[in-house]
Amino acid sequence: GEDVEQSLFLSVREGDSSVINCTYTDSSSTYLYWYKQEPGAGLQLLTYIFSNMDMKQDQRLTVLLNKKDKHLSLRIADTQTGDSAIYFCAEKRRNTPLVFGKGTRLSVIA
Amino acid sequence: EAQVTQNPRYLITVTGKKLTVTCSQNMNHEYMSWYRQDPGLGLRQIYYSMNVEVTDKGDVPEGYKVSRKEKRNFPLILESPSPNQTSLYFCASSFRSSGQGYTGELFFGEGSRLTVL
Repeated sequence: GEDVEQSLFLSVREGDSSVINCTYTDSSSTYLYWYKQEPGAGLQLLTYIFSNMDMKQDQRLTVLLNKKDKHLSLRIADTQTGDSAIYFCAEKRRNTPLVFGKGTRLSVIA
Repeated sequence: EAQVTQNPRYLITVTGKKLTVTCSQNMNHEYMSWYRQDPGLGLRQIYYSMNVEVTDKGDVPEGYKVSRKEKRNFPLILESPSPNQTSLYFCASSFRSSGQGYTGELFFGEGSRLTVL
C-alpha cells in the first residue's frame, strides 16, 4: 500500500522499554524520521536515520532500520511518564514531501 | 527564538464565513506546509510551498486556498468553511525540501484548533 503504517496505541509501565514499530513504503526513501507530539503541542523531530544506516542510538533512544522489510522501530529505554505522547513515523520519498504515519499514542503507567 | 507562529490558536466559526489562519516563520525557510490532524487519520497534508510564489496541492486540498507572497508567511484560507473542516491545523517549515544539507527536520507551529458550526 501507499501508507506509512503504525499501530495506534501502546501502553507500557514506567521504567520498562517501549518499542514503537513502523512500516514504510518506498525502498528508495532516503531519510526516515520519528517525530514526537506532546499534548497540546505541535510535532517535534525526535530523531532521524539515513537509509544507509542500520541503527542509530541517542541516549535512551535506539532506532533500528530494516531496509529489506521496510521496517523502522523506535526503542525508548527506561520509559518515563514524560515520554507519554504521540509518536509519528515519517519517510522522505524521492521528489515528494514527507509522508507521515497516523501516529502511535504511547501511554506510560506509573 | 526560532519558531513557527500560527494565529488564531482557537477559533469557532459558522458555515460559510470566510476565515484565514496565518502562519509565519522567522528561520528564512524555503519550504512551508499546512497539515490537518484528525483522530484516527493522523496528519494529512493540505498544501505546501517550495518557495515564494510556488505552491502545490497536498493530499486534501479541497476547500482550502493558500498563497506565498513572502518567504516568511504562508496563510491558509477557507473561503466557505464547512463542518467537515473542523480540525486541528498545523503549519510547518523547513530549510529546504531536498538536496544537499537536507535533514528533513520540519518545524511545526503550536496548532490552530478550528470548529465550524
